[in-house]
Amino acid sequence: AQSVSQHNHHVILSEAASLELGCNYSYGGTVNLFWYVQYPGQHLQLLLKYFSGDPLVKGIKGFEAEFIKSKFSFNLRKPSVQWSDTAEYFCAWEAGGFKTIFGAGTRLFVKA
Amino acid sequence: GAVVSQHPSWVICKSGTSVKIECRSLDFQATTMFWYRQFPKQSLMLMATSNEGSKATYEQGVEKDKFLINHASLTLSTLTVTSAHPEDSSFYICSARTGGAAFFGQGTRLTVV
Repeated sequence: AQSVSQHNHHVILSEAASLELGCNYSYGGTVNLFWYVQYPGQHLQLLLKYFSGDPLVKGIKGFEAEFIKSKFSFNLRKPSVQWSDTAEYFCAWEAGGFKTIFGAGTRLFVKA
Repeated sequence: GAVVSQHPSWVICKSGTSVKIECRSLDFQATTMFWYRQFPKQSLMLMATSNEGSKATYEQGVEKDKFLINHASLTLSTLTVTSAHPEDSSFYICSARTGGAAFFGQGTRLTVV
């Protein structure tokens, strides 16, 4: 079955720490990958996306993600987190017909 | 970015009644919209794909007679939860795709009492 796995359900970091959230997808066909963020009480927002080309993708707010085809992975990174990055992060994969399949989400809490 | 709006943001209804949730794309046209359900502390689960002018496509395990979807125009899809029961209480989110990415509504929290 098509699926997206996120490795960490909860992450707690101090400000200025580096962040890496793992994401693996299950299928090796056409790969459209996304990271979304949901701040408390707000909509899901797109952080970044990968369709093709440079496997290192830069998104908003200093986030980046690297697509590694051989590992079916699309990990999210940020060199130095801020308190305002506290949110839930979802990795997502666009399957056929533009259906978006989401991972279980990772709740990030950044301590000030 | 593109805007997708849902209405209402939250609704409380009595068991056995029906509830309609609207999803509108405000600044673009969407031939396809998607309906998700999010349980507490869980991810978004795709329920169905709403297709303008034709029948919705439901994911396995989703009751099409219970979750009625109508996509009558290029900017509006509706989800009607029929004969709602407490186990239908959840957070329902719609999305529409444009410019290579999906945009999400703010969600509708349904509580069935």
